[in-house]
Amino acid sequence: ILNVEQSPQSLHVQEGDSTNFTCSFPSSNFYALHWYRWETAKSPEALFVMTLNGDEKKKGRISATLNTKEGYSYLYIKGSQPEDSATYLCAYLGQAGTALIFGKGTTLSVSS
Amino acid sequence: DGGITQSPKYLFRKEGQNVTLSCEQNLNHDAMYWYRQDPGQGLRLIYYSQIVNDFQKGDIAEGYSVSREKKESFPLTVTSAQKNPTAFYLCASSGPRVTQYFGPGTRLLVL
Repeated sequence: ILNVEQSPQSLHVQEGDSTNFTCSFPSSNFYALHWYRWETAKSPEALFVMTLNGDEKKKGRISATLNTKEGYSYLYIKGSQPEDSATYLCAYLGQAGTALIFGKGTTLSVSS
Repeated sequence: DGGITQSPKYLFRKEGQNVTLSCEQNLNHDAMYWYRQDPGQGLRLIYYSQIVNDFQKGDIAEGYSVSREKKESFPLTVTSAQKNPTAFYLCASSGPRVTQYFGPGTRLLVL
């Protein structure tokens, strides 16, 4: 069974703090790495799809990097706001035609 | 509006009963998925379907069954063989880029 690990499990920061989370995945086969944001009482929404080693994606204050050779991705949030409070999921795809394997997520809480 | 709908929002199952969760999408996506979430756990894959009339087991398929007779619909049946069905169930669909679009979920409770 392939494992996707996310750390930390949860995180509490103050408004304005910058933070980052880690997603580790198998480096032997790689097709894509996804990041999703899951807010309470809503459905998960896609943030990024990353496919190439060294990829960097950015959406507003949120960015992500990818290292496929060592099997990790970082998600960064600059200047956290209370509306960033959510669970952030990463998901690994080993090859086309298979299904995503999700990590357990990192739950971020931002206090104002 | 394009999207994924799941019904019902809450479902109660009696001992030994089969129940069916509905999932419909109008995004014209070929692939559809069913996940289960338990407290403290991530999303675990139950079944997925890449195309009509074909589906594959995920990591936790035991006690569940699915059908994919239409592109738009991927119902999940929780059978009496599933001994611990209480969970939150999410349906998703994806197009060629594999980005998944999720429904609002169904919470299944056992009476």
